[in-house]
Amino acid sequence: DIQMTQSPSAMSASVGDRVTITCRASQGISNNLAWFQQKPGKVPKRLIYAASSLQSGVPSRFIGSGSGTEFTLTISSLQPEDFATYYCLQHDLYRWTFGQGTKVDIK
Amino acid sequence: EVQLVESGGELVKPGGSLRLSCAASRFTVSNAWMSWVRQAPGKGLEWVGRIKSEVDGGTAEYAAPVRGRFTISRDNSKNTLYLQMNSLITEDTAVYYCATGVSAPECYWGQGTLVTVSS
Repeated sequence: DIQMTQSPSAMSASVGDRVTITCRASQGISNNLAWFQQKPGKVPKRLIYAASSLQSGVPSRFIGSGSGTEFTLTISSLQPEDFATYYCLQHDLYRWTFGQGTKVDIK
Repeated sequence: EVQLVESGGELVKPGGSLRLSCAASRFTVSNAWMSWVRQAPGKGLEWVGRIKSEVDGGTAEYAAPVRGRFTISRDNSKNTLYLQMNSLITEDTAVYYCATGVSAPECYWGQGTLVTVSS
């Protein structure tokens, strides 16, 4: 099965900061990757699909990039509502895998 | 708007069985790739399994921890997805979500249903 290594597992940041989260796949997955945001007690919300396509209604400060084995989610200017946990999900071939998650909290 | 509503979660003893349902509205489950995702208390998201649309063959795949114990199916007449869970262990305790459209422009999740496996 494909393994997803997500980093960092946690980070502290300030409003206005540029934040970068990375997911690395154990083998190539083309662009079959999505990014989700989850706030405590809430259902996960998809931000990015096909590695770099912005979900309708999601602010443009969320930017997905990458292909193959290296993927990045960038938040260009962190806003108060962005403090949450972020997950990548690879959905290549048969069995899908989430990254371990990155918790972004307030510095 | 598309709606997915899970049900069936409850307290069950280790070794027991449970069937979760995911009822869809304004959406046809047979036409979509549907997934189950779970989240143990205080833990991250874990993909459980998915079933392809009927036009794509309708086959299911499962994550290693549940393979051989869990089965995904659907009832087209009820427009409902199921997750049959057998031989439950304490590690299966989680909120279970159904979801669809992971790779499509629109992605939908249910609100989740809690399964607790405990003696």
